Amino acid sequence: NAGVTQTPKFQVLKTGQSMTLQCAQDMNHEYMSWYRQDPGMGLRLIHYSVGAGITDQGEVPNGYNVSRSTTEDFPLRLLSAAPSQTSVYFCASSPPTRSEQYFGPGTRLTVT
Amino acid sequence: AQKVTQAQTEISVVEKEDVTLDCVYETRDTTYYLFWYKQPPSGELVFLIRRNSFDEQNEISGRYSWNFQKSTSSFNFTITASQVVDSAVYFCALRSVQGAQKLVFGQGTRLTINP
Repeated sequence: NAGVTQTPKFQVLKTGQSMTLQCAQDMNHEYMSWYRQDPGMGLRLIHYSVGAGITDQGEVPNGYNVSRSTTEDFPLRLLSAAPSQTSVYFCASSPPTRSEQYFGPGTRLTVT
Repeated sequence: AQKVTQAQTEISVVEKEDVTLDCVYETRDTTYYLFWYKQPPSGELVFLIRRNSFDEQNEISGRYSWNFQKSTSSFNFTITASQVVDSAVYFCALRSVQGAQKLVFGQGTRLTINP
């Protein structure tokens, strides 16, 4: 099992550009989520999904889109990057037994 | 609304000292999970422990121990005989079993163990 994988590991964008952060898991987990980590603020939930075809907003959804067409994949789209979106992004998944979430290695995004 | 507070932003101790990381939470749910995660300098998030709201037994795992007190809404983490490898940012988190089951994190405590 690869667990939760994220690509790319690092990314630099210019303001206004769009891009997709990829997240995949091979554990057949129904629940997947995206967090951003900013200094002194812990991790904040952006979007989450309780299964294929079902997504919902978290605490800080503005500027981000998600979709969940398969159980395995949960991409995060930045529509028009802004410097305020400079952060480390983590994807996580968990089984339907409502236990701990397993995190990917993170993507460090810088928007200039 | 759910909230997790880690009042200690940074802690620095000398190796072999014991150190306790505090975590206080707020929730209206009767059933929930509490977690501790470790984030070493390499950046990944490592799961340490899960505690169900119905289980107030303290837990010990090697040099790590956790004290869950529902009466004070606290879930503190103690490292005994700290080691340099324990240096990391530690996050406490809360997850409801109802509704969206979102994971709410505290702000984290940066622990530095000095040799």
